[in-house]
Amino acid sequence: AQSVTQLDSQVPVFEEAPVELRCNYSSSVSVYLFWYVQYPNQGLQLLLKYLSGSTLVKGINGFEAEFNKSQTSFHLRKPSVHISDTAEYFCAVQTGANNLFFGTGTRLTVIP
Amino acid sequence: DTGVSQDPRHKITKRGQNVTFRCDPISEHNRLYWYRQTLGQGPEFLTYFQNEAQLEKSRLLSDRFSAERPKGSFSTLEIQRTEQGDSAMYLCASSSRSLHRGTTQEKLFFGSGTQLSVL
Repeated sequence: AQSVTQLDSQVPVFEEAPVELRCNYSSSVSVYLFWYVQYPNQGLQLLLKYLSGSTLVKGINGFEAEFNKSQTSFHLRKPSVHISDTAEYFCAVQTGANNLFFGTGTRLTVIP
Repeated sequence: DTGVSQDPRHKITKRGQNVTFRCDPISEHNRLYWYRQTLGQGPEFLTYFQNEAQLEKSRLLSDRFSAERPKGSFSTLEIQRTEQGDSAMYLCASSSRSLHRGTTQEKLFFGSGTQLSVL
């Protein structure tokens, strides 16, 4: 069985500061990893995904994530956040043909 | 707008009533998913369709829930005899799969959801 843990439910950060949103997963097989963002009153959007290859994945809006197999982590980072990055961020794991399993989400609040 | 659309955006109902939600996926997508999201939780998988075939159902989907995708295009999710615990955001997503360099790739596109409140 797969599971996803997002260690921080809320992350406040000042504008232009760096941010890291943590995600750990457990699975007995190879996984695909995703980060989704949900802006207020909108549906989920894919930020980035790791399928194979380079462990550093770059996504939209300046976000990137690094797959660390030994630590079973897939933390999301951005070197300088904007007010518009305020949203809920979800980490998700998928194995092969199976559906996605989501973490509980991290609320990122960017403070002016 | 050619994204995934869901109708209605909001639904308020009394306990015991039946409700039905509709999802229109992106037209060329053959997979359609239903998720449920409650406050403070991530989306939980309910069921998915490959074309008109319902391939998997979560244990969360009790016998009061039924989903259909009769022509492999739009889908409906019906909840009978609603309970207060059914109050949640119901999300629909669609996707298509492709083979790229030996790896199956799938990208989900989510609708904005239907917010159900059961009083």
